[in-house]
Amino acid sequence: GAGVSQSPSNKVTEKGKDVELRCDPISGHTALYWYRQSLGQGLEFLIYFQGNSAPDKSGLPSDRFSAERTGGSVSTLTIQRTQQEDSAVYLCASSSNGPLEQYFGPGTRLTVT
Amino acid sequence: AQTVTQSQPEMSVQEAETVTLSCTYDTSENNYYLFWYKQPPSRQMILVIRQEAYKQQNATENRFSVNFQKAAKSFSLKISDSQLGDTAMYFCAFMIGGTSYGKLTFGQGTILTVHP
Repeated sequence: GAGVSQSPSNKVTEKGKDVELRCDPISGHTALYWYRQSLGQGLEFLIYFQGNSAPDKSGLPSDRFSAERTGGSVSTLTIQRTQQEDSAVYLCASSSNGPLEQYFGPGTRLTVT
Repeated sequence: AQTVTQSQPEMSVQEAETVTLSCTYDTSENNYYLFWYKQPPSRQMILVIRQEAYKQQNATENRFSVNFQKAAKSFSLKISDSQLGDTAMYFCAFMIGGTSYGKLTFGQGTILTVHP
């Protein structure tokens, strides 16, 4: 079946612009996770959704970052007023029966110029 | 807070040989899980193997096995009969157990190159 998909695959934006990154989880997966992979910080957790609610937003690095999930499916990660330090690969993962098997998407590479 | 450390930034091995990737972690939790993920150039993270902290027996998955030393907080990955397709970045990761969700804490990664 189809895996986790993310769009766009690559995004180049100018500093100060807003960007939206999309994640389509595996059909039926109730849990969804966002991670960020950057040269300076490595791989770090951003936010977790169970259904449409986000019980853990502890990893969001600043209030410029927000995420939502609608219909228990697609999730969008929005970064406002992008900064160069936001350049990274943003990975999305989903899981069904518990968190132990997280299936990752191919990520979105964001470059802020 | 939990930390995961991978002290080998890069490793290389000849095809068909065996290689071991190191990982240490620090936690005060008693219920947790450890993972090895593989990230090939396609960027998609793939779960290689998982170990439950309450299990003494080391996990194995075909050519992949772990050496889990709970007291030493060490969790190494052994790849036997290395194949060219094993070339990737490998991440060690930690997850607290007993929660309804799974926040993964990752190490810095080890780039493994398998040479023909």
